[in-house]
Amino acid sequence: DTGVSQNPRHKITKRGQNVTFRCDPISEHNRLYWYRQTLGQGPEFLTYFQNEAQLEKSRLLSDRFSAERPKGSFSTLEIQRTEQGDSAMYLCASSTRDHYNEQFFGPGTRLTVL
Amino acid sequence: QQPVQSPQAVILREGEDAVINCSSSKALYSVHWYRQKHGEAPVFLMILLKGGEQKGHEKISASFNEKKQQSSLYLTASQLSYSGTYFCGTEIPGSYNQGGKLIFGQGTELSVKP
Repeated sequence: DTGVSQNPRHKITKRGQNVTFRCDPISEHNRLYWYRQTLGQGPEFLTYFQNEAQLEKSRLLSDRFSAERPKGSFSTLEIQRTEQGDSAMYLCASSTRDHYNEQFFGPGTRLTVL
Repeated sequence: QQPVQSPQAVILREGEDAVINCSSSKALYSVHWYRQKHGEAPVFLMILLKGGEQKGHEKISASFNEKKQQSSLYLTASQLSYSGTYFCGTEIPGSYNQGGKLIFGQGTELSVKP
């Protein structure tokens, strides 16, 4: 068990460019979450997958954001036409379906949009 | 909808105790506590479920008052390693079957000095 991994750890991009982040959850976890965290704030929920199905999306997730989890394994989060307001830490978490729903977080991808 | 944490910040000397509170305006199914150090992922500390079940680290204690929708995290005999930002994440009833997303508070910054 190597924990949740995310790549890249840091991404600097120019406004208007597209970026894609990857999350590899703990292997037996069928639930996968994306959160966004800005400085001095707690994580904010973006979207959730159960296996390969995307079951919930936050209103925070504009049309420029899309997420996938093909075959219920790793997940990708893509941001199109990035804006400076997208600068944040993007966190991925995974959990099993037990009633505790203990979510294990990855190290995050820090995005800076110039 | 976001739970409110108090205090916002606290400074301790090694060996002192602290209590961090989390209060929600909504009925809760569970409260999750995490600690996050600067630039790192949130690390799981404790889960408290409605009905009294708990899961967490041995050295961490917490309480959950279901009627008041409040939870408190108790840090005793603090060590330098306890420094970081503590977040509570809340789940509302029914959210488990819909994905179990967490709504996080704004965080409490804890500094432990020698």
